[in-house]
Amino acid sequence: DGGITQSPKYLFRKEGQNVTLSCEQNLNHDAMYWYRQDPGQGLRLIYYSQIVNDFQKGDIAEGYSVSREKKESFPLTVTSAQKNPTAFYLCASSIRVTPTGTVNTGELFFGEGSRLTVL
Amino acid sequence: GEDVEQSLFLSVREGDSSVINCTYTDSSSTYLYWYKQEPGAGLQLLTYIFSNMDMKQDQRLTVLLNKKDKHLSLRIADTQTGDSAIYFCAESYSSASKIIFGSGTRLSIRP
Repeated sequence: DGGITQSPKYLFRKEGQNVTLSCEQNLNHDAMYWYRQDPGQGLRLIYYSQIVNDFQKGDIAEGYSVSREKKESFPLTVTSAQKNPTAFYLCASSIRVTPTGTVNTGELFFGEGSRLTVL
Repeated sequence: GEDVEQSLFLSVREGDSSVINCTYTDSSSTYLYWYKQEPGAGLQLLTYIFSNMDMKQDQRLTVLLNKKDKHLSLRIADTQTGDSAIYFCAESYSSASKIIFGSGTRLSIRP
């Protein structure tokens, strides 16, 4: 079945370490996104990518990095520069243009999330 | 800038209707969405409305859009325990390729 897979589901990190969260989709979607979720703050956009080898900063990109070498994959690295990395991280994808050339409604398909805890 | 606001909590009695409200600031929004998040999981799209519509109904769900006041609401009829979740309002617009989310409303159901 098609879907979007995040791993690991839970991750613990010591202060000063970089960690990478994986996001893979087999939906053939063009666009992929990383959001951070904190209690009472909703979802905040970290990075997004509309096409392979291109990505843009979202609202809270500082301390994070991404790559988009393949259409299916959009890994997120949480670096030691991120001051408060403990959070729930959500990856999503969407189809930007349908095979007929029309722009889709922009519906996001989400993974199950990765919970990062800094010890 | 873009902003989407929602109240954080709503409690309703089982069988009653739930109404979750949302306000947004960007008048150029193309689509407005309601997503549902169950505990420890990702978000799933419940329904969406195109910005030139006033209302959309889908089984127990009714979405109302007031463009003048930039107000969006989601009504869930005959609320059940399985409706307990966090509900996010979101908007997208053609000038950008990102979707902006509200803070989410946690819906709890009383017996």
